[in-house]
Amino acid sequence: DAKTTQPTSMDCAEGRAANLPCNHSTISGNEYVYWYRQIHSQGPQYIIHGLKNNETNEMASLIITEDRKSSTLILPHATLRDTAVYYCIVRVEDNYGQNFVFGPGTRLSVLP
Amino acid sequence: DAGVIQSPRHEVTEMGQEVTLRCKPISGHDYLFWYRQTMMRGLELLIYFNNNVPIDDSGMPEDRFSAKMPNASFSTLKIQPSEPRDSAVYFCASSVRDTIYEQYFGPGTRLTVT
Repeated sequence: DAKTTQPTSMDCAEGRAANLPCNHSTISGNEYVYWYRQIHSQGPQYIIHGLKNNETNEMASLIITEDRKSSTLILPHATLRDTAVYYCIVRVEDNYGQNFVFGPGTRLSVLP
Repeated sequence: DAGVIQSPRHEVTEMGQEVTLRCKPISGHDYLFWYRQTMMRGLELLIYFNNNVPIDDSGMPEDRFSAKMPNASFSTLKIQPSEPRDSAVYFCASSVRDTIYEQYFGPGTRLTVT
């Protein structure tokens, strides 16, 4: 699986957009980009995933560069409850299910 | 749906004792995963099941760890005998066949072995 690189920590003002970057320069053509987050003392929570096209759901938007070597998770209007560790994971899909490797992630602090 | 249910939420035990962690996946989910999280090692996949059958247990640290899934609505992770280095938060997650990577995690069991 391709390795990902994320900043260790970021701050964001409440109500503003939080843009979390992820580098995955060795990504293969059939690998997807997944984002999870983990709020303190809770289990990880799926946010969004994508292959090539930008994706949006009720939680966030995912912007993937044309060369697919990096992506950005956007929380359009961050709230205090979005304070969490955000994990960017690159993984190929297959029929058997696979191991998710969660790296250290980005610790996002949303400030009032 | 109540989501993935784990019990107990906290477990404190002495070294050498047997520990059993329990998980009830979301109804209709075909896949069940057991993870362990520590500060040092992050989140590690221990084992996962598909339709109650263990598929990959390569993450199980050693023979002291065992997991079972006797039916679609229940799984256990057992540690016997427990050791202080087993102290961690253990998460159970489940997913639907067609969206296997959208895993839904339970609240975790915080295990402390003294």
